[in-house]
Amino acid sequence: AQKVTQAQTEISVVEKEDVTLDCVYETRDTTYYLFWYKQPPSGELVFLIRRNSFDEQNEISGRYSWNFQKSTSSFNFTITASQVVDSAVYFCALSETRETSGSRLTFGEGTQLTVNP
Amino acid sequence: KAGVTQTPRYLIKTRGQQVTLSCSPISGHRSVSWYQQTPGQGLQFLFEYFSETQRNKGNFPGRFSGRQFSNSRSEMNVSTLELGDSALYLCASSLAVLGPDTQYFGPGTRLTVL
Repeated sequence: AQKVTQAQTEISVVEKEDVTLDCVYETRDTTYYLFWYKQPPSGELVFLIRRNSFDEQNEISGRYSWNFQKSTSSFNFTITASQVVDSAVYFCALSETRETSGSRLTFGEGTQLTVNP
Repeated sequence: KAGVTQTPRYLIKTRGQQVTLSCSPISGHRSVSWYQQTPGQGLQFLFEYFSETQRNKGNFPGRFSGRQFSNSRSEMNVSTLELGDSALYLCASSLAVLGPDTQYFGPGTRLTVL
């Protein structure tokens, strides 16, 4: 069975600090996808990134960067120079790739990030 | 391109009633998935529909059902509502022709059961 663990329930930082959100996953599949979503207070889940299990290259998008390490089953997310608008709940998610599994996502518990001015 | 839309945004029902939630996917997306989000259980997968067929189902009782129409719009129904069904119900759409694909979520329907 799949499992995603986000051990940090809440993180509070001051604006301009860097912050890393941890994600550890478990799966028996050799091929899978990992995702990060952001959920602002409005409730909608906003897609941030998708990574497949064959691609361990780190990715940077503006102030966001992701570190995927298959050896430790981790897919961590770093926000550089955080801003108040980054305050939200962030979810890590895992998807199997078997055709019959469709688009089922297994989510972590989420990390509430609060960026204080 | 318009995003995923869900109606209604808010609902208040009483125990024992039934409710129908609606979801319109992004144009061209044929897969629609439903998730329940509660403070206690987090985000849980309900079911996925693709080309009007249920392709995947989560671990929820039979009171939760869904369907998909030929235009890919989807509805989910919850019968005999219980207090524990109070939650944010999120719909997501994706291309997902062969296996998983990125899911794009709607704003959700917040259901309160009194």
